[in-house]
Amino acid sequence: QVQLVESGGGVVQPGRSLRLSCAASRFTFSTYSVHWVRQAPGKGLEWVALISADGSNEYYADSVKGRFTISRDNSKNTLYLQMNSLSSEDTAVYYCARESYYYDSGGHPHYFFDYWGQGTLVTVSS
Amino acid sequence: SSELTQDPTVSVALGQTVRITCQGDSLRTYYASWYQQKPGQAPVLVIYGNNNRPSGIPDRFSGSSSGNTASLTITGAQAEDEADYYCNSRDSSGSHVVFGGGTKLTVL
Repeated sequence: QVQLVESGGGVVQPGRSLRLSCAASRFTFSTYSVHWVRQAPGKGLEWVALISADGSNEYYADSVKGRFTISRDNSKNTLYLQMNSLSSEDTAVYYCARESYYYDSGGHPHYFFDYWGQGTLVTVSS
Repeated sequence: SSELTQDPTVSVALGQTVRITCQGDSLRTYYASWYQQKPGQAPVLVIYGNNNRPSGIPDRFSGSSSGNTASLTITGAQAEDEADYYCNSRDSSGSHVVFGGGTKLTVL
């Protein structure tokens, strides 16, 4: 069974940095795009960032662009999220998620998150 | 628009049928996928690609799409279906991802 295990969460002061990791196993990590998705306490899901399978493309939500960096090490089957200049608005459970896709009859791709980790809690507080 | 809109709350009587909807411009280009999330747990994929169920998801869950609206239907809702449900898709540019605000389903 596919496994995604996040780590690195904790309590951090505003303005400081934190790096999250997501260890992947039981699938060929290097052939999948992976994402970070977060959920503030009592709130809905918010997409954070995407990195392509080979790491050549990265995309970010406007709320984190310029502060967060997504990266991956395919030799270690690990996804990362470097978070800088943290604020209270970044307090959330952070999930990593594997993205799969298929092509419809017209050759158009459609994407979905087929596996999620259990999440790691980041609390930004003084 | 890069947003997906869901009704915040929906209720259904035990054993009845309920439809949860998701609206947004991106759904004219990309099929929605649907996720179930129970308290304290990670989201679980229940429908992808308009109307495909991952293995292990009961066949009472189904999906459909028309224009800018996607729907998740639960036929014969069970007590264990009480949860938050989220839709998502790539945005119209294809490079970002959008989520709906979520629908809290109560089974009466």
